[in-house]
Amino acid sequence: DAEITQSPRHKITETGRQVTLACHQTWNHNNMFWYRQDLGHGLRLIHYSYGVQDTNKGEVSDGYSVSRSNTEDLPLTLESAASSQTSVYFCASSAPGDYSYEQYFGPGTRLTVT
Amino acid sequence: KQEVTQIPAALSVPEGENLVLNCSFTDSAIYNLQWFRQDPGKGLTSLLLIQSSQREQTSGRLNASLDKSSGRSTLYIAASQPGDSATYLCAVNSNYNNNDMRFGAGTRLTVKP
Repeated sequence: DAEITQSPRHKITETGRQVTLACHQTWNHNNMFWYRQDLGHGLRLIHYSYGVQDTNKGEVSDGYSVSRSNTEDLPLTLESAASSQTSVYFCASSAPGDYSYEQYFGPGTRLTVT
Repeated sequence: KQEVTQIPAALSVPEGENLVLNCSFTDSAIYNLQWFRQDPGKGLTSLLLIQSSQREQTSGRLNASLDKSSGRSTLYIAASQPGDSATYLCAVNSNYNNNDMRFGAGTRLTVKP
């Protein structure tokens, strides 16, 4: 079955370190998204990509970057981790051409920055 | 900027009860609205998606309605079960490319046996 996976599921890091969160999908979806979820804020969009070599900033992109070298993967990098980036991170994908543009989500990565 | 609000933040009901979860949004110019379920420590599972041209969608015991003009959507759960206990999130998509999807903070539902 097609799926979307994230790794690691839990990560503890120190302030100032670079961290990369992985997202891999086997849906063959062109569209991929990264969100963060914080108490009281729902999910907020960090970055998104509509295909290989395409990346775009979302609502809360400061301090994050992404790169898209193939269809299946969209890694999220925190250049210099800050305590404010402690959160749960979700990756999602959707298929262009599907009129519903329904999004499918991964299980999430809980990141703690100490 | 689209704002999405879900009320109540938490709800506890006895098993078997019918219930309604509410979602309101400030900008009626939406492409679609999606209801998700989130179990503790898990990702989001899509329950129902309503296009802007639709009034409602049904899946089993779930029925979601959309009133764009008033900026409201409801998720109706019939004959609730303990397995329905989860957080329910509403998300409003303002365009066809999903790059402006706004989520509510969710309603945490507990169904007591």
